[in-house]
Amino acid sequence: DVQMTQSPSSLSASVGDRVTITCRASQGISNYLAWYQQKPGKVPKLLIYAASTLQSGVPSRFSGSGFGTDFTLTISSLQPEDAATYYCQKYNSALWTFGQGTKVELK
Amino acid sequence: QVQLVESGGGVVQPGGSLRLSCTASGFIFSDYGMQWVRQAPGKGLEWVAFIRYDGSNTYHADSVKGRFTISRDNSKNTLYLQLNSLRLEDTAVYYCAKDASAGGSYPEYWGQGTLVTVSS
Repeated sequence: DVQMTQSPSSLSASVGDRVTITCRASQGISNYLAWYQQKPGKVPKLLIYAASTLQSGVPSRFSGSGFGTDFTLTISSLQPEDAATYYCQKYNSALWTFGQGTKVELK
Repeated sequence: QVQLVESGGGVVQPGGSLRLSCTASGFIFSDYGMQWVRQAPGKGLEWVAFIRYDGSNTYHADSVKGRFTISRDNSKNTLYLQLNSLRLEDTAVYYCAKDASAGGSYPEYWGQGTLVTVSS
């Protein structure tokens, strides 16, 4: 089975900082990767699909890139409302696998 | 707008069974695949199962294979998850999610979840 590994597991950054989260697949998955944001006590929200396509309504400070095995989620200028846990998920076959999550905290 | 409302969660003893339901509205239910995803307390997201738009194919995570069964009734706009032989480690919030396509892609919209607690 393809494993999805996110790094870091957590990070602390200041408002306005550029934040990058990495997701690595143990085998190539083309661009079949999505990113989700989950705030405490809330339902996960789709941010990005097809590795780099922004879901409608998601602020443009969020962006995604990558292909094959290495992917990144970037927040260009961190805002207070971005404090959350972020998950990547692969969907290129009949097994959908999430990364373990990256918790983003504000300094 | 898309609405997904889960029900059927509760407290059950190890080895017991539950059936979760997810009632959908705001989209043509029979045109889309559907998924179940769970989240144990304080843990990350775990994909559980997927069913194609017409119910012709289903897929289950290895951790639940042979114990859980996903199904759907398109005439009732309802998704189900039958949970049998429950274990302590199945304790989680179970979310139903609308897939972005008919045949299987990413979960696009999520319900609020229903809590399943397995405890003796």
